[in-house]
Amino acid sequence: GQNIDQPTEMTATEGAIVQINCTYQTSGFNGLFWYQQHAGEAPTFLSYNVLDGLEEKGRFSSFLSRSKGYSYLLLKELQMKDSASYLCAVRDAGNNRKLIWGLGTSLAVNP
Amino acid sequence: DTEVTQTPKHLVMGMTNKKSLKCEQHMGHRAMYWYKQKAKKPPELMFVYSYEKLSINESVPSRFSPECPNSSLLNLHLHALQPEDSALYLCASSQDPSGGLEQYFGPGTRLTVT
Repeated sequence: GQNIDQPTEMTATEGAIVQINCTYQTSGFNGLFWYQQHAGEAPTFLSYNVLDGLEEKGRFSSFLSRSKGYSYLLLKELQMKDSASYLCAVRDAGNNRKLIWGLGTSLAVNP
Repeated sequence: DTEVTQTPKHLVMGMTNKKSLKCEQHMGHRAMYWYKQKAKKPPELMFVYSYEKLSINESVPSRFSPECPNSSLLNLHLHALQPEDSALYLCASSQDPSGGLEQYFGPGTRLTVT
């Protein structure tokens, strides 16, 4: 079956670093995405990994290990506006148009 | 222009009404998507259009009818909906119909069925 796991909730302090993990078991793999979604708004694209390793984009970085079925999103220098839900999604190798979504991690950044 | 627009932002309709949701993108993307999202849940794929042809229908009830008049527009026609269909309806597009890179999402239409 297809399964993506991420923590339901996380809390962190402004200015700190937080790592949100995502593990997946899917029948195929053709890339992993991280999206950010603020309450009541649409998801916005953060990162895409298809090869093993770390992708850095400003304060956000994403890591992928295909052999372990594991990814993480690293957020540095946290700001209050980073309070949001973070969704991990895997692209189905059998059907490249379809994303398999995790349930999301709700991150609360406190002052 | 990296924007996907959706109208209306909010919609309240009765179970006997007929209404349509509209989505537009001018990024030259050839794949467009409809998703349904309930509170605290991830987006749930409904339909995918590739080069203006319906390529995926995720067993969506026939009371939802998609239409892609041209490569920039995507509509979702609603008829005889149920209260449980109340949700945020998201449109998205991506560059490459074979999967391509990221999907860009519109702001969504908040639908309430009474």
